[in-house]
Amino acid sequence: KAGVTQTPRYLIKTRGQQVTLSCSPISGHRSVSWYQQTPGQGLQFLFEYFSETQRNKGNFPGRFSGRQFSNSRSEMNVSTLELGDSALYLCASSGGGSGANVLTFGAGSRLTVL
Amino acid sequence: GNSVTQMEGPVTLSEEAFLTINCTYTATGYPSLFWYVQYPGEGLQLLLKATKADDKGSNKGFEATYRKETTSFHLEKGSVQVSDSAVYFCALSDFLGNEKLTFGTGTRLTIIP
Repeated sequence: KAGVTQTPRYLIKTRGQQVTLSCSPISGHRSVSWYQQTPGQGLQFLFEYFSETQRNKGNFPGRFSGRQFSNSRSEMNVSTLELGDSALYLCASSGGGSGANVLTFGAGSRLTVL
Repeated sequence: GNSVTQMEGPVTLSEEAFLTINCTYTATGYPSLFWYVQYPGEGLQLLLKATKADDKGSNKGFEATYRKETTSFHLEKGSVQVSDSAVYFCALSDFLGNEKLTFGTGTRLTIIP
């Protein structure tokens, strides 16, 4: 059973640019969540999508957005990049039901903003 | 709001030593509690979980008991191995089925042979 796949694994951007990250969840999982991991702030929740609808949102500015497609794949976009957006972005998927909400994480996309 | 406090790292132990990583939480209601582990260059993996008071989660020799009276979920292992070297995160979800997790800052564990 394939795990959660994130692409690209590494990328470098400059301030002011935008970036799109992709996440393919485990087959059959309908919920996709995104987290930002930085040395200073640790792991912070960005948002969660379930059946193409944003179900939950963290405290990030509007420059951070996401979407989910009918096949459950998800993308997140960050516009007008800032130096502080440099981070490891982790995607996680789960069955999305009322079970034990066990998240399976991908290896992450490491974004460096210069 | 919800918060998770973990013991400061890094923690360095000799192989076969006893491990405890402390975790306390603040949450309203009845949260679910988790320990995740992150190996170098990888994403997080669920290590164990507990969904109600007095539940004990266990996996790979690790254990943690959900203590509502002390709002704690300490991680323990009786005899650590070099392969246990990783970063450990305590986390909570404020209700069952909520995919939004609040994480602690993580504790880096290094086991020396």
